[in-house]
Formats: sequence, C-alpha cells, structure tokens
Amino acid sequence: AQSVTQPDIHITVSEGASLELRCNYSYGATPYLFWYVQSPGQGLQLLLKYFSGDTLVQGIKGFEAEFKRSQSSFNLRKPSVHWSDAAEYFCAVGAYNTDKLIFGTGTRLQVFP
Amino acid sequence: EAGVAQSPRYKIIEKRQSVAFWCNPISGHATLYWYQQILGQGPKLLIQFQNNGVVDDSQLPKDRFSAERLKGVDSTLKIQPAKLEDSAVYLCASIAGGQVNTEAFFGQGTRLTVV
Repeated sequence: AQSVTQPDIHITVSEGASLELRCNYSYGATPYLFWYVQSPGQGLQLLLKYFSGDTLVQGIKGFEAEFKRSQSSFNLRKPSVHWSDAAEYFCAVGAYNTDKLIFGTGTRLQVFP
Repeated sequence: EAGVAQSPRYKIIEKRQSVAFWCNPISGHATLYWYQQILGQGPKLLIQFQNNGVVDDSQLPKDRFSAERLKGVDSTLKIQPAKLEDSAVYLCASIAGGQVNTEAFFGQGTRLTVV
C-alpha cells in the first residue's frame, strides 16, 4: 500500500536561511509525488509535482524538490526562506494511472525574523 | 477561472446534531473529492465522485456520513449525528481528468467544531 512519511512535525528557521523538508514514500512502482502548502485558514496549494524525467523539479515561490529513487525520498528545498513561507507543508503520493492522493501528516514551518 | 468554493467556512454544533457542507468544484471538473483533515494530520480521503457517481467511499463512515453529487456538479457532505471526533476541516477538491497526474484544486475548507 502507498504511504507517505514526513518525519519532521515542526521546523523553525530564521528568515534568509535555507530549508529542507523531508518526505519518504512507500510504493512499489514509480509514484507521482507532490508537495502542497497550506497557509492558515486556506486550502492546499500545489507547489510542485514529479511524474517522470528530470529528478530535480522546480516549483512556485522558489521551491524545488529532488526525487531520489534509491532513498524513496522527495525532499523539498528552498535556498532562502521568507517570512511568508510560514505554513504547513504536505507531501503526497499518487499511484500511476489512478486518481488517489495519499497525504503525509505535514510539517509546520515557522520562520523567525 | 474561479476556484473550488465551499460553504460554510466555519460551523459549530453540539454532538448528535446534524450538519451539511457544500462544495462547488471548478467548472468542467468531472472528479470531486471530500477530504477530512483532523488537526495535526494530513487530509484523509472520505469519498470520490466521477461526475455524479461514487468511485470510492471506502473510508466514509457510512453510519453517519453521507454525500451526494446529484447533477455531477456541486456536492454536499452530511454528518448525522455528529460526534466529538468529527471535529476537523473538511476539504473539497476537484480535478479535470480522471488521473491524479492532473493537478487537484482545493477549496478553503469548512472547519467543523463539535462540542
């Protein structure tokens, strides 16, 4: 069965610092992988997605993620965090040729000035 | 284009009462999902519609939850009777096609508090 693990429940960084949010997935074949962001009181917004091809994926708001098959990981990165990036981040996996999205438990990002 | 609309935004009810949520997906989106997001957890799929038919309701607690999408457009999710553990944000999402490699668009959600 598909599953997603986000090991970090809460991360705090200073504004301007780099960021890496971890995501590990479990799936027998090549999965579709997503990162969503949820600001307080808002719905989920897609940051980026990986289906195939280049394993380094660029997304909106300056985020990128790298798919590493050997580690079953899809970590989200940003070189310099802005205060407006404070939010909850969810990694999700979808199975090929299906319409199901399985979400991780999320990582709450706090940014200090 | 307009996004996924949900109402109400907030609802507070007492346990054993009933409540209904409404969702209007993006125009033309055939697939509609209802997710339950309990505080501190990721969204959990409750039910999925393809047009007006149910594709997957395996995670829906059918003894108290029901959902419909009669005309294949907007949808309602009902809880009757509500329990304390139903306190959560209920998210509606839609996609244009039938495969997850198309982007899912989410509404802002309805935050339900059962007291």
